[in-house]
Amino acid sequence: GENVEQHPSTLSVQEGDSAVIKCTYSDSASNYFPWYKQELGKGPQLIIDIRSNVGEKKDQRIAVTLNKTAKHFSLHITETQPEDSAVYFCAASIRDAGNMLTFGGGTRLMVKP
Amino acid sequence: GAVVSQHPSRVICKSGTSVKIECRSLDFQATTMFWYRQFPKKSLMLMATSNEGSKATYEQGVEKDKFLINHASLTLSTLTVTSAHPEDSSFYICSARSPQTDTQYFGPGTRLTVL
Repeated sequence: GENVEQHPSTLSVQEGDSAVIKCTYSDSASNYFPWYKQELGKGPQLIIDIRSNVGEKKDQRIAVTLNKTAKHFSLHITETQPEDSAVYFCAASIRDAGNMLTFGGGTRLMVKP
Repeated sequence: GAVVSQHPSRVICKSGTSVKIECRSLDFQATTMFWYRQFPKKSLMLMATSNEGSKATYEQGVEKDKFLINHASLTLSTLTVTSAHPEDSSFYICSARSPQTDTQYFGPGTRLTVL
């Protein structure tokens, strides 16, 4: 089955700096890669996703890149703000196969004001 | 974006009792819903996949007789924790798959505490 590794497990940055979280996956058939943000005591919120037919996607301060050959994808947050502090999860799945997600272990991001 | 609700948000119960958690997709019809369990500071662990009108598919190690799942309509799935014990205390989260976008949207979670 699919295995998703996520690094780092914790990340502390100064407000205004950029943050990068990286994930690798094992199943070359995976073709859908969402990123979720989870605040304390709440459910995960989808913040951006990418499908395997593109290499990069951007939405304001958030971007995701995908390298299918190396089987890794990354989340980039620019101009970080204290409200970006949360746990971020990457996931991988095969579309049209029930969309069952395999999650990475999570990254706790702390943005210091 | 699509909205998924869960009820209740928190529940405390005594050992041996059963607890039902509801998951609803509010503005879309979800043919597939998922139930996850999350321990403190850990990732989400898939418990089961629920398809409307059919039996749920449980992940290895998840007791189907203990965690009863019903997906009676395209907007509602329920998880019943039967004969709950303290080790069942956890954060339970559901998600619903939007067929239009093939994206999973998560509910806010239910914190279960079994005394």
